[in-house]
Amino acid sequence: QQPVQSPQAVILREGEDAVINCSSSKALYSVHWYRQKHGEAPVFLMILLKGGEQKGHDKISASFNEKKQQSSLYLTASQLSYSGTYFCGTERVRAGGGADGLTFGKGTHLIIQP
Amino acid sequence: DTAVSQTPKYLVTQMGNDKSIKCEQNLGHDTMYWYKQDSKKFLKIMFSYNNKELIINETVPNRFSPKSPDKAHLNLHINSLELGDSAVYFCASSQAASFPNEQFFGPGTRLTVL
Repeated sequence: QQPVQSPQAVILREGEDAVINCSSSKALYSVHWYRQKHGEAPVFLMILLKGGEQKGHDKISASFNEKKQQSSLYLTASQLSYSGTYFCGTERVRAGGGADGLTFGKGTHLIIQP
Repeated sequence: DTAVSQTPKYLVTQMGNDKSIKCEQNLGHDTMYWYKQDSKKFLKIMFSYNNKELIINETVPNRFSPKSPDKAHLNLHINSLELGDSAVYFCASSQAASFPNEQFFGPGTRLTVL
């Protein structure tokens, strides 16, 4: 089941903040966030493994609400280098435990203008 | 040193042909994946291999077959190519499939079927 990302696209001025949401109709084991620039490969940002966990990387952080089956990515004081497409990837909980690989959302296009 | 490499970078071919894409990782990872990214940028997992065993096989046509001669390589063979196979194919690797880990993506192979 593909996670749903919102918004589909965001246009910001440099220095503004953004939030990208990712939700699933299935129970989640983990949520991954990746960023892809045009013509390049996706690059890993972070993994969230526990319900309610928050992680941060520079001015990019994320939260994971396991109960709501949702994750949000927060970009603070955005920089030009943040432009790209952001994907969340989710792993479902297997009946026997463990996870069965990533299913990615459709992506959120982020454009940062000077 | 390139962590995950793919060849060729570009592949243009006629409908009905058979082609292969090669992938190699020098990270010592146990699991490798193939993803397809279509013209709408939707990133979809096709296969993954863990210690030479197929552990995920999404609903892809059986014209696509992954082959792993060893832990560091996962090649993708495509028979009887169709127009709809045109996409960017990414290879990726991670340390283990049994626990969520960062996935490292290769640079991608842009396949165009005429």
